[in-house]
Amino acid sequence: KNQVEQSPQSLIILEGKNCTLQCNYTVSPFSNLRWYKQDTGRGPVSLTIMTFSENTKSNGRYTATLDADTKQSSLHITASQLSDSASYICVVTPRDYGGSQGNLIFGKGTKLSVKP
Amino acid sequence: NAGVTQTPKFQVLKTGQSMTLQCAQDMNHEYMSWYRQDPGMGLRLIHYSVGAGITDQGEVPNGYNVSRSTTEDFPLRLLSAAPSQTSVYFCASSYSIGSPYNEQFFGPGTRLTVL
Repeated sequence: KNQVEQSPQSLIILEGKNCTLQCNYTVSPFSNLRWYKQDTGRGPVSLTIMTFSENTKSNGRYTATLDADTKQSSLHITASQLSDSASYICVVTPRDYGGSQGNLIFGKGTKLSVKP
Repeated sequence: NAGVTQTPKFQVLKTGQSMTLQCAQDMNHEYMSWYRQDPGMGLRLIHYSVGAGITDQGEVPNGYNVSRSTTEDFPLRLLSAAPSQTSVYFCASSYSIGSPYNEQFFGPGTRLTVL
C-alpha cells in the first residue's frame, strides 16, 4: 500500500535554530514529492516540488532533499523564525507504469513550534 | 486573482441535514478536488474532477456528491449529514495532474460540525 510517513510528529525549537523534518514513503513509482506548509486554520501552501530525478530544491530558508533510492526526503529549515510555526506536510504523487499520475498521497505532517 | 475560495468558513449541522459546500477558482484550472482533514490523519481525497462534466471518486467518497458544470465551480454536497463527517474540508485546484511541476492551490477550508 502506498504510504507516506513523517517524523517527528511534533517538534519545538528556539528561534534562530535550524531543524530537519523527515519523510519516508513507500510509493513506487512516483512522479514527484512535495512539501507543504500549513498554518493553523489555513489551507496548505506549497514550499517545494521535486521530481523523482531531482536531489534538492530550495525556497528561501527551506531546503528539501530527496533520495529516491532509500525513499526518503527531508525538509531543512535554516535560522527559524516565529512565523515558521506550522505543520509541514510531505506529499507524494504516484505514477503508474504507463506514465500517468495518480492522486496525491499525504503524510500526517510534522507540527513545528518555534519559541522565542 | 482571488485564487481558491470556499464558503462557508464554519457550519454546524444536525444529523440528517443536507448542505452544499461551495468552492470556486478563478485560475482556469482543469483539476479540482475535495479533501477532508481530521486530527492525526493526513488529508484524504473525497472526490475530484479533471474538467467540466467529469468527476470521480477518491479515497473516502461515501456520503458525498459532487458535480462540475463549469470550470470555475466544484460544489460538495452532503446528502444526510452524520457526526462522522465532522471535519475540516479543503478544496484544491491545479492546471492538471499531468505535469510533475503542477502546483496545487488550496482554499482556506470549511470547518463543519455535525451534532
